[in-house]
Amino acid sequence: GDSVTQMEGPVTLSEEAFLTINCTYTATGYPSLFWYVQYPGEGLQLLLKATKADDKGSNKGFEATYRKETTSFHLEKGSVQVSDSAVYFCALDNPMEYGNKLVFGAGTILRVKS
Amino acid sequence: KAGVTQTPRYLIKTRGQQVTLSCSPISGHRSVSWYQQTPGQGLQFLFEYFSETQRNKGNFPGRFSGRQFSNSRSEMNVSTLELGDSALYLCASKRTVLGEDTQYFGPGTRLTVL
Repeated sequence: GDSVTQMEGPVTLSEEAFLTINCTYTATGYPSLFWYVQYPGEGLQLLLKATKADDKGSNKGFEATYRKETTSFHLEKGSVQVSDSAVYFCALDNPMEYGNKLVFGAGTILRVKS
Repeated sequence: KAGVTQTPRYLIKTRGQQVTLSCSPISGHRSVSWYQQTPGQGLQFLFEYFSETQRNKGNFPGRFSGRQFSNSRSEMNVSTLELGDSALYLCASKRTVLGEDTQYFGPGTRLTVL
């Protein structure tokens, strides 16, 4: 079945450091790819998405490019802030699967120190 | 526009009891999905409803059930609660129009089973 693999955390960075969180996927067909973020005590918020190969999703300084040749969707940010501390989830939605079902990675905890 | 709402936000139950959780989707969204989030298993898909019909179901025992009403509101029920059912239960809604692929999440219901 479909699956998503994320790099293990936690990732600890100093403010203004460069961030990369790796995400690779296995799926039949052409899934849509997402990054969601979860702050403590809250639900999931959509951070960005990409629906086809070579699409770049971006939001709040975060970017990720849908790479079909490497089945990857790595999250990057040029300069992190303390307020970016949260758990980040990579996910896919496969249109070949009946109904709406997101498959999530395990999540990566990001801690940013001032 | 109001987001996805879930009630109650917190629940404490004892083993063997049953529980019902409620989810109101974003206005105009007809698809509702449920997910279980635990530290050990991460985010797992429970089921998805559209037009009062279950379209997809995850790998959970029959103690987990759900339904959707004509106004798209959804409930999930867990019978004969076990300690392992302690989790954050997240509901997500989605517009069902061509090209719309984003699920929007509610804040979740935190269920504790004692």
